[in-house]
Amino acid sequence: GESVGLHLPTLSVQEGDNSIINCAYSNSASDYFIWYKQESGKGPQFIIDIRSNMDKRQGQRVTVLLNKTVKHLSLQIAATQPGDSAVYFCAEGPGDRRALTFGSGTRLQVQP
Amino acid sequence: KAGVTQTPRYLIKTRGQQVTLSCSPISGHRSVSWYQQTPGQGLQFLFEYFSETQRNKGNFPGRFSGRQFSNSRSEMNVSTLELGDSALYLCASSFDGDSRSGYTFGSGTRLTVV
Repeated sequence: GESVGLHLPTLSVQEGDNSIINCAYSNSASDYFIWYKQESGKGPQFIIDIRSNMDKRQGQRVTVLLNKTVKHLSLQIAATQPGDSAVYFCAEGPGDRRALTFGSGTRLQVQP
Repeated sequence: KAGVTQTPRYLIKTRGQQVTLSCSPISGHRSVSWYQQTPGQGLQFLFEYFSETQRNKGNFPGRFSGRQFSNSRSEMNVSTLELGDSALYLCASSFDGDSRSGYTFGSGTRLTVV
């Protein structure tokens, strides 16, 4: 499979536990934030997004929290499953609404 | 519907050569963006094409270029390859280029320069 990142921070959790992946973003003018999941051999896959006028958004088993004061984003995954094992990236969308700036990624390993 | 198709999946080239990568977006999508992914730099934006025009460009040297055809298919070209160009090249398609309307990424082309 593809080697997404040789020195990524790794979060190891037990199956069934909740996972929290954190991300610090850089541009205070960013108005849109996205979490992507990348599995080995595949491109990034959209998980959930949030606009800057919100501080929380929930999806199926996932919740994104946004703290604009400290420029921090987190992704919470409930009842983590082995299929959640992947690299997770946050991305911020600047004011021009086109190019995304990606974070460096976190590898999530789910132990059965 | 078919996803974003990138060809080839793997490529090995020698320093100094040039390479062309292809991306076919989702039917109906008019915007194609290209990203380079490396272990050291992560995902970095190369450029975006919309209706055959380059609308946005990242901070890469002129050796990196691209184009888009009338059917929205896009190609990127890297000339005078360097070892540091070894990376996974990803393209993402969207209807109008606004990331909020949803990017769909292809699986990428893994380029190795030797």
